[in-house]
Amino acid sequence: EIVMTQSPATLSVSPGERATLSCRASQSVGSILAWYQQKPGQAPRLLIYGASTRATGIPARFSGSGSGTEFTLTISSLQSEDFAVYYCQQYNKWPLTFGGGTQVEIK
Amino acid sequence: EVQLVESGGGLVQPGRSLRLSCAASGFSFDDYAMHWVRQAPGKGLEWVSGISWNSNNIGYADSVKGRFTISRDNAKNSLYLQMNSLRPEDTAFYYCAKDRKYTGNDFFDYWGQGILVTVSS
Repeated sequence: EIVMTQSPATLSVSPGERATLSCRASQSVGSILAWYQQKPGQAPRLLIYGASTRATGIPARFSGSGSGTEFTLTISSLQSEDFAVYYCQQYNKWPLTFGGGTQVEIK
Repeated sequence: EVQLVESGGGLVQPGRSLRLSCAASGFSFDDYAMHWVRQAPGKGLEWVSGISWNSNNIGYADSVKGRFTISRDNAKNSLYLQMNSLRPEDTAFYYCAKDRKYTGNDFFDYWGQGILVTVSS
């Protein structure tokens, strides 16, 4: 099983600032990685796939980078609606696995 | 518009069974793989099981293997999860999720709203 590790667990950021979230895979997954956003009481929403491709309707302030075992999700200028939990997921091999999540909170 | 609506959740005693259903609409159901993902209250996401478009490729998380069975009925645009020998640690919100492709080895582009399963005596 590929273990996904996200850091930090919690990130405190002021509105308008940049947020940088990290995700590490226990073995190479190439670019076969997705990011999801989840707000309280809601289902997750797809943000990024293929490590760097934004999903339909996702604002340009969200960007993904990395390959192999190290990945980054960057939110360039945090808006109020961006405060949420973010998960990375590898879909290179079954079982599909998620990271533990990073909660982005208002500083 | 893609819609995924889960049903069949509720309170069940340990050791008993429950069957979840997911009704899909707004896309060609038989062209895509489908998955179940769960989330214990206040915890992270865990992939439970996936099934390819034609049911030839099926996978399970180790935590549910041998107890849960995924299936689909393409004529009814429906996905199912039969859960047997339920344990308290199976308590979670269960999400139905659509795969981007037909095989099951891809990301989830649409999710249902989830349904709560509580395993307790």
